[in-house]
This record gives sequence, structure tokens and C-alpha cells, in this order.
Amino acid sequence: DGGITQSPKYLFRKEGQNVTLSCEQNLNHDAMYWYRQDPGQGLRLIYYSQIVNDFQKGDIAEGYSVSREKKESFPLTVTSAQKNPTAFYLCASSIDGHGRGTNEKLFFGSGTQLSVL
Amino acid sequence: EDQVTQSPEALRLQEGESSSLNCSYTVSGLRGLFWYRQDPGKGPEFLFTLYSAGEEKEKERLKATLTKKESFLHITAPKPEDSATYLCAVQDNKLSFGAGTTVTVRA
Repeated sequence: DGGITQSPKYLFRKEGQNVTLSCEQNLNHDAMYWYRQDPGQGLRLIYYSQIVNDFQKGDIAEGYSVSREKKESFPLTVTSAQKNPTAFYLCASSIDGHGRGTNEKLFFGSGTQLSVL
Repeated sequence: EDQVTQSPEALRLQEGESSSLNCSYTVSGLRGLFWYRQDPGKGPEFLFTLYSAGEEKEKERLKATLTKKESFLHITAPKPEDSATYLCAVQDNKLSFGAGTTVTVRA
């Protein structure tokens, strides 16, 4: 079945540590996104990528980094510079466009819950 | 600044008790309004897209409607399996999400 796979499901970060969240899709979608979800708030865009080897900052990119070396993969690194990383992280994809100006539906993964030890 | 506000924050229903969720928005130029369903610990799942005022979409017990300032998601005769958080998202030059309405349907 086609879809988006996020791993791990749960992740714990120690002080000063960088951690990487994995996101893989087999939908052959061009665009991929990372969102952060906090209780009582709407999803907030961290980074997005329209095409391989290119990505753009979203609304809350500070303390995060991404890469897009393959169409299928869009890993997110939460760096030690992100002082409040505890949240539910969602990866998404869409057929094309960049989600900023294209009215397309998003396909989401099952999320990664990141907590601080 | 674009704003998307969903109400109520939480809704508890008895099985079969119909109700509506609201999504009000202020954007400069609406290009699309989306409804998603999210189960606990899972990613959102797409339900509907609405593009212009007056448009309606239906899927099983759910019906979404759109005006120039808000959208409603009507749940008719809900069942326990309709329990979830329902998210609204509005697209103009970017996509903005509301905080969601958590619906609990008791048998």
C-alpha cells in the first residue's frame, strides 16, 4: 500500500543532543512537509520541499534542519538549538506544488512523539 | 494575519445526537478550505475540500458546508467510531490550520 512512513513512533532527546526523525513516502509525490503539533494549537509548518535538493523554511524553522537527497525521503533533524522540542511531529506529502500556494490535499504519516529526558 | 478558529474545542455527543462543528476564518483570498480527521496518536486523514461559498460535500454521516467567513462540519446521527479530532485548514497564499474540535460519541 502507498503511504508515508514515519519512524520512530516515540523518541527521547537528552539535553544538547541532536535527533533525526525519519520520513519516507512511496506515493511518488514531489512535495513533502514537516509540521509540529502542540496541544491546543494548530499545526505549524517547519520546513517544506517541492523538489529534490531544494527546501524552504516554514513558520518555525529555527532549531530544525532538513535534507531532500531523494524524492522518497525527507528527514528532519531537531538540533540542540531547539529549546522546546517536545511535540508531535507530522510529515506530509502532496502530489506537487509547495503547499504555500497550491490548494491540494495533504497525505500525512502517523507521526513521531518527541520528548525531552 | 490569517486566522482560523474552530469551535467548540470539545464536543461530547450521545450516539445518534446530530451536531455541528464550526471553522471561522479570516484570509485575504480563499483558495480552498480543508477538513481532516485525526485519531489519537495518528496523522490527520483528509475528508473534504471546499472552494467557494455555497459549496457542500458529503461523506457518510459527515457534511461540510462553506460560507464567505466560515465552514461547518455537520455530523448526522453519529456513531462511536466518529469520535476523533476534526481539523480545519484554510489556504490562501499559505495553509493555516485551526486547533481542532475533539468529538467524543458515547454509545
